[in-house]
Amino acid sequence: QVQVVESGGGVVQPGGSLRLSCAASGFSVSSYAMHWVRQAPGKGLEWVAFIRSDGSNKYYADSVKGRFTISRDNSKNTLYLQMNGLRAEDTAMYYCAKGGERGTYYFHYWGQGTLVTVSS
Amino acid sequence: QTVVTQEPSFSVSPGGTVTLTCGLSSGSVSTSFYPSWYHQTPGQAPRTLIYSTNTRSSGVPDRFSGSILGNKAALTITGAQAEDESDYYCVLHMGSGIWVFGGGTKLTVL
Repeated sequence: QVQVVESGGGVVQPGGSLRLSCAASGFSVSSYAMHWVRQAPGKGLEWVAFIRSDGSNKYYADSVKGRFTISRDNSKNTLYLQMNGLRAEDTAMYYCAKGGERGTYYFHYWGQGTLVTVSS
Repeated sequence: QTVVTQEPSFSVSPGGTVTLTCGLSSGSVSTSFYPSWYHQTPGQAPRTLIYSTNTRSSGVPDRFSGSILGNKAALTITGAQAEDESDYYCVLHMGSGIWVFGGGTKLTVL
């Protein structure tokens, strides 16, 4: 059964760092595109970052470019999001999502999310 | 800056049909954007409904369908049920590894 479970959220001060994890089961993160999507309280969804199935390319929303880094550890079957230089506007629920089959460009399975709060 | 547009809110009567749309602030939506649709109830994670314009995700009832209508992507619910009351989001693949979500539509079934 396909499942992704996020962890690592919490409260952090502005300018601080946090690393989110997304543990996958039922599939290999090395075989699928993987994404991070976030949702600020009371707001809509915002795509954050994407890593190709072969790991060759990583892409980011302009709002996080240069501050966030997406990566994965195939041996642990886990996706990560390293977040540096956090700002109040990064406060959100962060969802990990497994991509669909090659060439479908969508978010197939979603986790339940992990909450990040940036506040002094 | 590309903006993906959705109706902020919509209402439908139980058993009725409603079409939600997903457009671009500049230009037309085509299948090349691989439009996909998701719904989300308060406090829950999003769930996939439609991908690649018109393919239903596994387990999604056939009352949900996707299409291109004019210059927009569309999600049609035929025979709306009370449990369809939810927030609906579309997302477009802009190419070059970038996706953009619409602002979402709050659907009320009453």
